[in-house]
Amino acid sequence: DAKTTQPPSMDCAEGRAANLPCNHSTISGNEYVYWYRQIHSQGPQYIIHGLKNNETNEMASLIITEDRKSSTLILPHATLRDTAVYYCIVRGDTGRRALTFGSGTRLQVQP
Amino acid sequence: DAGITQSPRHKVTETGTPVTLRCHQTENHRYMYWYRQDPGHGLRLIHYSYGVKDTDKGEVSDGYSVSRSKTEDFLLTLESATSSQTSVYFCAISEGSNYGYTFGSGTRLTVV
Repeated sequence: DAKTTQPPSMDCAEGRAANLPCNHSTISGNEYVYWYRQIHSQGPQYIIHGLKNNETNEMASLIITEDRKSSTLILPHATLRDTAVYYCIVRGDTGRRALTFGSGTRLQVQP
Repeated sequence: DAGITQSPRHKVTETGTPVTLRCHQTENHRYMYWYRQDPGHGLRLIHYSYGVKDTDKGEVSDGYSVSRSKTEDFLLTLESATSSQTSVYFCAISEGSNYGYTFGSGTRLTVV
């Protein structure tokens, strides 16, 4: 699976959009980009995933560049409850593979 | 999360004793996973399962064994607990390789 690079930490003002970048320059054609978050000591929570097209759900939007070498997770209106560690993970659709978590980005939403 | 339960939530045990952690799901998902999380290491995969009696090792499987005799239960056993196995253990389930994971609330294990 391709390696990902994320900034270790970011701040965002409450009510503003939070844009979390992820670099995955070695991604291959059949690899998906997944985003999870972990709030304090809870279990990680699935947010969204995509292959090449931009995706949106009730939690967030995922923007993947045309060359697929990077992506951005967008939380449109960040709240204090969005303070968490956000993980960007790349994984191929190969069946017998599990997700590998890196260090993620610690997002602090400021009041 | 609804549909996945880990037990116990907290456990303190002595070095050298066997310990079994249980992950129970009511979603009938095929895939189940055990991770551990330590400060400075993030989540690391211990073992995973793709169905009944079908398990595989993850990156930190030494000292751990698993069993899956029923779809709904995935057991993680520490045959002889060591202090290095003090950690928070998370179980996860998934419908398939292209689906998101749902994680349990975790088991905090302390080996003294």
